[in-house]
Amino acid sequence: DQQVKQNSPSLSVQEGRISILNCDYTNSMFDYFLWYKKYPAEGPTFLISISSIKDKNEDGRFTVFLNKSAKHLSLHIVPSQPGDSAVYFCAAVISSGSARQLTFGSGTQLTVLP
Amino acid sequence: DAGVIQSPRHEVTEMGQEVTLRCKPISGHDYLFWYRQTMMRGLELLIYFNNNVPIDDSGMPEDRFSAKMPNASFSTLKIQPSEPRDSAVYFCASSLRVQLYFGQGTRLTVV
Repeated sequence: DQQVKQNSPSLSVQEGRISILNCDYTNSMFDYFLWYKKYPAEGPTFLISISSIKDKNEDGRFTVFLNKSAKHLSLHIVPSQPGDSAVYFCAAVISSGSARQLTFGSGTQLTVLP
Repeated sequence: DAGVIQSPRHEVTEMGQEVTLRCKPISGHDYLFWYRQTMMRGLELLIYFNNNVPIDDSGMPEDRFSAKMPNASFSTLKIQPSEPRDSAVYFCASSLRVQLYFGQGTRLTVV
């Protein structure tokens, strides 16, 4: 049972354009969401997060949007740069409980074309 | 801080052999996680510890897998006996709050 889904395994975008990566979740108990970026032969690194009390969080070129009613979040990268080419994982957690395990999606490979 | 340190970075072993993966979490972090990444299943949680105590090992595939955390600065994931389907990248991560910090991973190949 996949509680966090990234339905697009890959996405190609032209440099300078907007990249939009999508993520859906099924567990309404999730109250904190994170995006991680992963380069080949490296571990995932934290990118940006959002609490369920917000619907938007922005950090430079990266913005995460949360639609709780649709159980959907998206990551926008504007403008996209070739260095953004990586696998992006979304993750969700029930932050209020004692459990801390993040549930990850399967990832989306973003390729930014120069 | 050097971050989460995993060793070895690469491991190639024959089917049936014992494999031990090692992890040193970030000092001061009280949670430690072992994840496995495969093409089919993405990043899946195997087990996690809080203050060196295993909290949830429901993701451990079978009895061939075991994990220990004898102290706050060291954890091991052992596979005995190893099988070709165990081939994957294994990540260790630690955290103090919600955000996880990952190591660089161990790429395991079982032939």
